Amino acid sequence: GAGVSQSPSNKVTEKGKDVELRCDPISGHTALYWYRQRLGQGLEFLIYFQGNSAPDKSGLPSDRFSAERTGESVSTLTIQRTQQEDSAVYLCASSFVGRGQETQYFGPGTRLLVL
Amino acid sequence: SQQGEEDPQALSIQEGENATMNCSYKTSINNLQWYRQNSGRGLVHLILIRSNEREKHSGRLRVTLDTSKKSSSLLITASRAADTASYFCAPFSGQNFVFGPGTRLSVLP
Repeated sequence: GAGVSQSPSNKVTEKGKDVELRCDPISGHTALYWYRQRLGQGLEFLIYFQGNSAPDKSGLPSDRFSAERTGESVSTLTIQRTQQEDSAVYLCASSFVGRGQETQYFGPGTRLLVL
Repeated sequence: SQQGEEDPQALSIQEGENATMNCSYKTSINNLQWYRQNSGRGLVHLILIRSNEREKHSGRLRVTLDTSKKSSSLLITASRAADTASYFCAPFSGQNFVFGPGTRLSVLP
């Protein structure tokens, strides 16, 4: 089936505006992850959803960041009042936890530029 | 959450040579995975090794795991220019896991 998809591919916004990033996981995957990757840096964990459990929000850098996921489907990451330091690639990944594999399948990412 | 730390941070080799990257982690794991990132976009899963395995092969990739030392290594044999990428290890302990900064591998023609 289809892989993880993310939209938009690229987003340019002005400082102070809100942005919403979307992730469509692989159908049937119970776990969904959001990461941020600044230019030339490693991945920075943001948030993790697993089934109907409370999400692990420990990686969200500030209260301007929030994410939602409805059931085991699409997730949206919202950044309010964007700042220039929010410029990065935002990666989403999904996996099927429980089969002992837990391999993460990544989407292509959304490249966010805050001017 | 569990984070892997890769070493070295950067590695340059000639095409045809072998490349070895190391990963260390802190707590017990269910499995450890290696991923590759080619272009600053999505990562691609390379190989998974379980905590009760010591070595695993996949094509030109060889992964070892030493749970007593909490370390793993990824060996790429007969490297090619197309292997140029960042490589990340991801130790998995049953919850979410955190990627380290990665090793940037450059394979020179």
